This record gives sequence, structure tokens and C-alpha cells, in this order.
Amino acid sequence: EPEVTQTPSHQVTQMGQEVILRCVPISNHLYFYWYRQILGQKVEFLVSFYNNEISEKSEIFDDQFSVERPDGSNFTLKIRSTKLEDSAMYFCASSDTGWRTSLDQPQHFGDGTRLSIL
Amino acid sequence: DAKTTQPPSMDCAEGRAANLPCNHSTISGNEYVYWYRQIHSQGPQYIIHGLKNNETNEMASLIITEDRKSSTLILPHATLRDTAVYYCIVPLSGNTPLVFGKGTRLSVIA
Repeated sequence: EPEVTQTPSHQVTQMGQEVILRCVPISNHLYFYWYRQILGQKVEFLVSFYNNEISEKSEIFDDQFSVERPDGSNFTLKIRSTKLEDSAMYFCASSDTGWRTSLDQPQHFGDGTRLSIL
Repeated sequence: DAKTTQPPSMDCAEGRAANLPCNHSTISGNEYVYWYRQIHSQGPQYIIHGLKNNETNEMASLIITEDRKSSTLILPHATLRDTAVYYCIVPLSGNTPLVFGKGTRLSVIA
């Protein structure tokens, strides 16, 4: 069964450094998302991406964050200057919602990247 | 998103059916009910979704009341591997952000 894959599984970075988290969504999906989960807390939405642009973002997704789909398969989340509070699990998701399909297609998640900021 | 209410925790004996309830009394006519689960710190896993008819797939069954104000996720024969936090979510549409609450922590006991 197709799945969303994320790399690396664990990333350790010094505070202030840039980090890029990578995701390969399910191949025919059109909508892409990033969520994060701070240890012991709820899963929180960061950003959604469709047709090569951000379609929605949360208050968490400030100027330090950016997303990109550099080619036909990868979807990346960049944090420009990491802070201690960016330490969390970051989940990528994708869905098949679009003009070809009905609007109720579910989002499918990867297993996440654990980001640890020192 | 329609607000959902779930019990914080439930226990279920291995091999028995697990019935997880969810209230979503403010749901509107075209909003679907989605169920996800999260095993330990893995990514949320999609289980099932429905609008008004009962749904069944290889993982679970979803029963939605006629007034659509509540639903029940049924795992017909729970195993230890079904121990997880289960989330009932009612987004505006399939591609809008999912709002995760605290969910129900299901413990399957041998």
C-alpha cells in the first residue's frame, strides 16, 4: 500500500541552525501538509500546500518556516533559524483531494521526523 | 470544524469488540466524520470516515446516528496492537487542516 515517507527519522541540530525536513508524499496526491507534535501535546497543523503554493497556514508557521516542492516527488519543510521550542515530532501528510476526486479524501500521514534542538 | 467530545480513556479485553464513542452535535449537513489513531509516537493513521451511512472497512466499522450528532467506531476483535489514542475529527472538508483533540486512549488488555 502506498505510504508517505519522511527523512530523517531523527534530526539533531544546534539552536540557530537551519534544518530541512523531507517528505515523499503518496505519488498521485495533490494536497500536502505539515503538522507537528511537541512531546506530550496535541498534534498541531502548520501548513497546507496545493498547486505549488501555500493554501493555508497556522499562527505557528511564521517567517522562520517555509515549504517547497522542489521536484515532482519531494515536499520539504525548512526552519531557518531553529529555536529550542521547535523541538517536536514533525509529520507530513498528503491527500488525494482535488478536481479529480471527491472532497472527502482522507489525509495520510508519515511516521514523522523527531527534531531535537540543542 | 465541528467540536467533538470523546472519553479520555477506555479499556477493552483482547479479542472483544472495542466501541469508541464520539459526540459531534454541531456537525453540519455536508461534514464528514473521520477517525484516526496514533500508536505511541508514530504518525496518525487514518482508519475510516463517513457522512451519514454506516461504513465498514478492513480495520473498523463506523456507526453514525440518524441525526448525525454522534458516532461510534467499532474495532470488532481488538488486539494488543490496537492500543493507541483514537481521534474523532470533523473538518470542514477533506483538504482542510485536521484539528486534533486529546482523543480516547484505548488500552487493550490481555
